[in-house]
Amino acid sequence: AQKVTQAQTEISVVEKEDVTLDCVYETRDTTYYLFWYKQPPSGELVFLIRRNSFDEQNEISGRYSWNFQKSTSSFNFTITASQVVDSAVYFCALSEHNSGNTPLVFGKGTRLSVIA
Amino acid sequence: DGGITQSPKYLFRKEGQNVTLSCEQNLNHDAMYWYRQDPGQGLRLIYYSQIVNDFQKGDIAEGYSVSREKKESFPLTVTSAQKNPTAFYLCASTSGDVSYEQYFGPGTRLTVT
Repeated sequence: AQKVTQAQTEISVVEKEDVTLDCVYETRDTTYYLFWYKQPPSGELVFLIRRNSFDEQNEISGRYSWNFQKSTSSFNFTITASQVVDSAVYFCALSEHNSGNTPLVFGKGTRLSVIA
Repeated sequence: DGGITQSPKYLFRKEGQNVTLSCEQNLNHDAMYWYRQDPGQGLRLIYYSQIVNDFQKGDIAEGYSVSREKKESFPLTVTSAQKNPTAFYLCASTSGDVSYEQYFGPGTRLTVT
């Protein structure tokens, strides 16, 4: 069975601090996809990144970076120099198989509050 | 602009009434999904449809029903059999190609009293 665990329920940081959101997953498949979504107060989920299981390269996009480690089944997300606009709930998700139509399994989310 | 539309944003119903939530997409996506979000629970899959006239139950399908008569539409009915219908409902779609990204609608917040 597939499962995604986001152990951090809530995190508060002061603006400009770096913050890492943890994500640990479980799957029996060798082919799978991992995602991060951001949910601002408006409620709509915003896609941030997708990573397939064969690509362990870390990725950086502006202030965002992701660390994928298959050895520990983790896909952690770091925000550098956090800003108030980063305040949101962040979800990690997993999709098994190699079909793009497979539903996602979500973690319970981490609520990030960035204080000015 | 392409995207997913959910209406209304807020919906109020009396207990015992069925209510249908709308989800429309103009992205020409094959697959559509319904998720339910409760505080602290993340998103849980209710139903999904990978093709017109076909759909599968998700983890929490009891008390819900769906139809997929058109590619662009995937309405969700919350029946009176659903014990705790008050929640935030999100609709999503994906093209099924190499992108694998699920696009989400703005959500409908349903309150049943």
